[in-house]
Amino acid sequence: QQPVQSPQAVILREGEDAVINCSSSKALYSVHWYRQKHGEAPVFLMILLKGGEQKGHEKISASFNEKKQQSSLYLTASQLSYSGTYFCGTDQGGGADGLTFGKGTHLIIQP
Amino acid sequence: NAGVTQTPKFQVLKTGQSMTLQCAQDMNHEYMSWYRQDPGMGLRLIHYSVGAGITDQGEVPNGYNVSRSTTEDFPLRLLSAAPSQTSVYFCASSYSMQAYYGYTFGSGTRLTVV
Repeated sequence: QQPVQSPQAVILREGEDAVINCSSSKALYSVHWYRQKHGEAPVFLMILLKGGEQKGHEKISASFNEKKQQSSLYLTASQLSYSGTYFCGTDQGGGADGLTFGKGTHLIIQP
Repeated sequence: NAGVTQTPKFQVLKTGQSMTLQCAQDMNHEYMSWYRQDPGMGLRLIHYSVGAGITDQGEVPNGYNVSRSTTEDFPLRLLSAAPSQTSVYFCASSYSMQAYYGYTFGSGTRLTVV
């Protein structure tokens, strides 16, 4: 079952902050976050593991609430380059069955 | 390093034709997978492999076959193309089946079945 992402779309001005949420009805082992620009491949941003370990980079942070099976991606002081579609991918079994992706959140950053 | 290479980038097929989408990675990744992406649907897993000689079905495997004879290559075969298989196909790989690492995606194959 696909995780549910919210919001579906958001429009911001450069410098504003954004939060994208991902919620699953099943117990999760990890949550991945990817960004995809139009016509390009998804690019890995961050992974959050059960137990609190987090691996990511740059000016993006995320949280993982294991009790609620929810994750949030935080984009601070957004830049024009942050525009794109953000997907969360959830994993229930340590990677054995691949990732189940949400439908995506479209983020548009305006000057 | 080239990363994950997919060929072709674009393909038009007639209903009933068969073809193979190629995927190769040069990162010595154990785990490889195929996804299809349709508007508003996100990415859906077709097949995956945890190592050479081992493959398994994902969420939407019908109409597709895979094999993994080497660590580097993971081709996806469409047996008899149908318009419902019109989509963008992405191959992805990871260092391990354990979800400790992110996936590296290829640039995609845009397939149209008429």
